[in-house]
Amino acid sequence: AQSVSQHNHHVILSEAASLELGCNYSYGGTVNLFWYVQYPGQHLQLLLKYFSGDPLVKGIKGFEAEFIKSKFSFNLRKPSVQWSDTAEYFCAVNGDFGNEKLTFGTGTRLTIIP
Amino acid sequence: SQTIHQWPATLVQPVGSPLSLECTVEGTSNPNLYWYRQAAGRGLQLLFYSVGIGQISSEVPQNLSASRPQDRQFILSSKKLLLSDSGFYLCASSGHSNTEAFFGQGTRLTVV
Repeated sequence: AQSVSQHNHHVILSEAASLELGCNYSYGGTVNLFWYVQYPGQHLQLLLKYFSGDPLVKGIKGFEAEFIKSKFSFNLRKPSVQWSDTAEYFCAVNGDFGNEKLTFGTGTRLTIIP
Repeated sequence: SQTIHQWPATLVQPVGSPLSLECTVEGTSNPNLYWYRQAAGRGLQLLFYSVGIGQISSEVPQNLSASRPQDRQFILSSKKLLLSDSGFYLCASSGHSNTEAFFGQGTRLTVV
């Protein structure tokens, strides 16, 4: 069965600090990987996704993530965070056609201090 | 892109009463449909997953059931609500193979 682990439950950073949120997955086949963000009071939105090709994926708002197959990881990064990045971040995984069930991690709450 | 309509936004129900939450999807056909429950510190727990009309996979044993009477309609139900059914329920839709999921605004259910 597929699973996703997000080890950072709550991260607090000052503005302009660099960010890295960890995501590790367990899945036996070809994976699709996602990062979703939920801003306070808003619904879940896609931040970025990896299906194939370049393992370094760039998303919206300056976020990027790197797929490292040997480590089963898909960590989210941003070189300089802003107060508006305060939100909850979720990593998710599914497989190819026929194995498309989308499984989420427990989420990481990010608080940016001005 | 897809639009997910979910209602109601909030619901307060007494213990033992029935439940019906509806989700409809626009902008796609034959989607994969999902019901999740979101709880603080526990992320999104997948409750039900459907790849087509009448095809429902239950992911966790619980007091809830799901049905898909039409291609773009997904219903979450209970015959008798428990206090532990309180939570935030999200409906989501995705295409088949290499597509992202789109989420509704969610329903905050409080069982009293």
